[in-house]
Amino acid sequence: QQQVKQSPQSLIVQKGGISIINCAYENTAFDYFPWYQQFPGKGPALLIAIRPDVSEKKEGRFTISFNKSAKQFSLHIMDSQPGDSATYFCAASRANAGNNRKLIWGLGTSLAVNP
Amino acid sequence: NAGVMQNPRHLVRRRGQEARLRCSPMKGHSHVYWYRQLPEEGLKFMVYLQKENIIDESGMPKERFSAEFPKEGPSILRIQQVVRGDSAAYFCASSYRGELFFGEGSRLTVL
Repeated sequence: QQQVKQSPQSLIVQKGGISIINCAYENTAFDYFPWYQQFPGKGPALLIAIRPDVSEKKEGRFTISFNKSAKQFSLHIMDSQPGDSATYFCAASRANAGNNRKLIWGLGTSLAVNP
Repeated sequence: NAGVMQNPRHLVRRRGQEARLRCSPMKGHSHVYWYRQLPEEGLKFMVYLQKENIIDESGMPKERFSAEFPKEGPSILRIQQVVRGDSAAYFCASSYRGELFFGEGSRLTVL
């Protein structure tokens, strides 16, 4: 059972366009929703994260939109660039005792930005 | 400030051998997580450790896998009697204020 469902599996966008990746979760106890970017042969790098008390968070060209009632959140990459070509993962977790951040991950979206 | 350091980056083992993967967290971080990533998949939580303590090992296979984070030195993920299905990328992360920072991973290939 996939607790965090991510779509699409792959995405092709033209340079300058908007890339949109969506995630849906099931566990209403989740309280932390990060997005990670991973290049081939590298570890995931934290891009941006949101908590359920806000509906949107923006950092540079990256925006997270969060819909608590629908249990969905999405990543928007504005003005997409070829350097953004990577695999993007959404994740979710809830705070446990001892500040344990056991992330539950989506299966990833492979983004290709054409020049 | 160096990031999370993992070694070896690549490891090849034959079936039945042992694999040891090491992770040094970021300076000042005392929490370490291990995740496994199979090809074309997301990461799967394995274990969460603090210095000298295993806090959550709910993602660790019951047999052949163990982890430690001693008072001195790196965290070690140990896989005994490896099988082909253990071939994967193993990522370590350390955390600060709830945010996880990942190393570049150790890629294990079992022949």
